[in-house]
Amino acid sequence: DVKVTQSSRYLVKRTGEKVFLECVQDMDHENMFWYRQDPGLGLRLIYFSYDVKMKEKGDIPEGYSVSREKKERFSLILESASTNQTSMYLCASEGAHNSPLHFGNGTRLTVT
Amino acid sequence: TQLLEQSPQFLSIQEGENLTVYCNSSSVFSSLQWYRQEPGEGPVLLVTVVTGGEVKKLKRLTFQFGDARKDSSLHITAAQPGDTGLYLCAGELDRAYKYIFGTGTRLKVLA
Repeated sequence: DVKVTQSSRYLVKRTGEKVFLECVQDMDHENMFWYRQDPGLGLRLIYFSYDVKMKEKGDIPEGYSVSREKKERFSLILESASTNQTSMYLCASEGAHNSPLHFGNGTRLTVT
Repeated sequence: TQLLEQSPQFLSIQEGENLTVYCNSSSVFSSLQWYRQEPGEGPVLLVTVVTGGEVKKLKRLTFQFGDARKDSSLHITAAQPGDTGLYLCAGELDRAYKYIFGTGTRLKVLA
């Protein structure tokens, strides 16, 4: 079974802090994604990566950056956390195109 | 902005009842996926539909992709408490790696 592991289940950070969310997958998948999930809005794509050191902006990249130095690891960075970034963050990986997305269990981030 | 509207947003029913969840858009999708998400976990894929008009069955769950590939429905027969969860549809656009997720339907099945 594919395993996508997000390093933290819950995080509480202060406004202005730099925040790192880590995601690791164990199936040698090419594609990895970061989404945020908010009630009534569904999942919105922040960034995705289709190869090491490659990244593409999703629908809501403002205030975020990403890093993919190794194939198995995709990091989401909040350069200066703000309260409107309080959300559930979900990482996903995908093998071949058209195959299902495999999600981690999410990181619930609260910015105070 | 592409939108994928799901209805209803919330549904609370008794065990044994039938229900249908709808997923509608003005965009044409190359494929559409349905996921179920339980509290504290990430979404898990239920099914992928690819062809317009396609119907897929997964035990008591029936999924249909609209002829024009703009909409989909999920029908559950004789719902059980284990069906409780958040149901999400996700449409794939022709542009690679681009999935649009629906707003979600939160289902609660009472014993």
